[in-house]
Amino acid sequence: DSGVTQTPKHLITATGQRVTLRCSPRSGDLSVYWYQQSLDQGLQFLIQYYNGEERAKGNILERFSAQQFPDLHSELNLSSLELGDSALYFCASSGAGGVDNEQFFGPGTRLTVL
Amino acid sequence: AQKITQTQPGMFVQEKEAVTLDCTYDTSDQSYGLFWYKQPSSGEMIFLIYQGSYDEQNATEGRYSLNFQKARKSANLVISASQLGDSAMYFCAMREGRGFKTIFGAGTRLFVKA
Repeated sequence: DSGVTQTPKHLITATGQRVTLRCSPRSGDLSVYWYQQSLDQGLQFLIQYYNGEERAKGNILERFSAQQFPDLHSELNLSSLELGDSALYFCASSGAGGVDNEQFFGPGTRLTVL
Repeated sequence: AQKITQTQPGMFVQEKEAVTLDCTYDTSDQSYGLFWYKQPSSGEMIFLIYQGSYDEQNATEGRYSLNFQKARKSANLVISASQLGDSAMYFCAMREGRGFKTIFGAGTRLFVKA
């Protein structure tokens, strides 16, 4: 158990819909990262937040947005969903005690868009 | 531009033997970090080992060691005394010092034979 929690574990929805994925980092971690893992694209970095501020942006679509709240949990919002958005979405956290070399991954949310 | 290459889609190793998983990277930064993660069939991502670009010694964590050859831009993972539980997908990743994006290679699937 990495200490990172993600909800829900599975999500099935239809094209055009909007969903929110939630992540709670490990206690004390200030950084939260979001990744998308799909069969055709592999593991792609989406976005990172540090203590509530956006720190880095990767291959995140404009239909996707994220935020980190004062209690450090984070949400990834996916809108106007397409079939190709079906993937495993991971959240990771790091930074406890100032160490940012390890990212601890949550169990992931498997999104299926029908 | 950042790039991570894992040239071995699949590898077989006999139980109790050592195995090397290859990883080469490309970056123009002097400061960067290299990571290896394990993803079992259950799907979670497990952090294995980290090597900083300025670390003079190769990183080791139990049965895992990272063979870091900076001039060749390679960061191979060595697993000693393979166990059946080592059968999984292994990802090499890199984070550049200037930014905070982490990119992953395509992965190598390791099969440990009894």
